[in-house]
Amino acid sequence: AQSVTQLGSHVSVSEGALVLLRCNYSSSVPPYLFWYVQYPNQGLQLLLKYTTGATLVKGINGFEAEFKKSETSFHLTKPSAHMSDAAEYFCAVSASNNDMRFGAGTRLTVKP
Amino acid sequence: KAGVTQTPRYLIKTRGQQVTLSCSPISGHRSVSWYQQTPGQGLQFLFEYFSETQRNKGNFPGRFSGRQFSNSRSEMNVSTLELGDSALYLCASSLGPQGANNEQFFGPGTRLTVL
Repeated sequence: AQSVTQLGSHVSVSEGALVLLRCNYSSSVPPYLFWYVQYPNQGLQLLLKYTTGATLVKGINGFEAEFKKSETSFHLTKPSAHMSDAAEYFCAVSASNNDMRFGAGTRLTVKP
Repeated sequence: KAGVTQTPRYLIKTRGQQVTLSCSPISGHRSVSWYQQTPGQGLQFLFEYFSETQRNKGNFPGRFSGRQFSNSRSEMNVSTLELGDSALYLCASSLGPQGANNEQFFGPGTRLTVL
């Protein structure tokens, strides 16, 4: 079965600084990888997804993630943090005929 | 196009009671999945329904059950509520079943508090 591990339950950055949220996955078959964001009192919203093809995936709100098979990683980055990026971020993995598995989440705080 | 809707948004119950939560997927979506979100356990998969059939089930006791109707709307039921069932219950819909690259669209959730 597949799984994901998100390193760091809390990440704090200054406004304008680089955002790096780490995600490592485990899957015995080629995975589909997703990043979701959850704002307070809301459901999850898809930021980006990797299926096949280009390993650098661009998403909404200036986020991107790179699929690195050799490192089994799918880290999420944004060059310059904005106050509105403060939220909880979830990495998820899906594989053929299996349910989607989510990481424990990383809460991002952006300091002014 | 309307998003995923969940009713009610907030619910307070006492131990031993049962509860039914409802989810209306995006029009045309045939898969509905349910998740339980708690601070301690994170986001845990409950079950998925696709074309009125339970396709996958997570590791939850039999007190948790669900169903899907012909219009793809889904309900989940929790019987004999326990304090530990207090959580945010999220519903997600997608065009096709999980296990592919089908994007899941989440509703705002139902916040269940068990006293």
